[in-house]
Amino acid sequence: SQTIHQWPATLVQPVGSPLSLECTVEGTSNPNLYWYRQAAGRGLQLLFYSVGIGQISSEVPQNLSASRPQDRQFILSSKKLLLSDSGFYLCAWSGQGSNQPQHFGDGTRLSIL
Amino acid sequence: KQEVTQIPAALSVPEGENLVLNCSFTDSAIYNLQWFRQDPGKGLTSLLLIQSSQREQTSGRLNASLDKSSGRSTLYIAASQPGDSATYLCAVYGQAGTALIFGKGTTLSVSS
Repeated sequence: SQTIHQWPATLVQPVGSPLSLECTVEGTSNPNLYWYRQAAGRGLQLLFYSVGIGQISSEVPQNLSASRPQDRQFILSSKKLLLSDSGFYLCAWSGQGSNQPQHFGDGTRLSIL
Repeated sequence: KQEVTQIPAALSVPEGENLVLNCSFTDSAIYNLQWFRQDPGKGLTSLLLIQSSQREQTSGRLNASLDKSSGRSTLYIAASQPGDSATYLCAVYGQAGTALIFGKGTTLSVSS
């Protein structure tokens, strides 16, 4: 069966520090991968998605970036965090095609001080 | 631009009640609609996926319907239990989009 792992589960970082959140998927190949953010009082917002290794599309401009160095690995990064980057970050995967359900990881709670 | 709205934002019911959660979307050109459950501080658990050609899907005590022409979906929960307490999210995958567009959710509290 397929599983998705995110780490760390929680993270507290000072403003201006770098960030690296990792997501890996097991039990499937060539998945679509997604990074979402859920801010307090707001719905989930798509940040990045990837349909293959090295292929990243950004949905919103910001100081975050994403990379996909391997087929089942998706990384969310920042060089300098802002207070507004606080939130709950969720990674998801789906099979190829537009009618496939998305499956989510357990999320990372990021607090910026 | 696709927008998804969920009503009500919060709902409290006694155990055993049947209830309906509502979801509406502005663009009827969708591929599918997915209902999720989110427990506090946790990720999302997929409950039901309805393809655009389908009218409803059922899983246990859950039944989700889809009316594309009116841009609406409902999630029906039968015989609610305290363990059903969570936030329920509706999301649509649009033909013009690249990923799911989410509503803000309905937070359900079932008291024993």
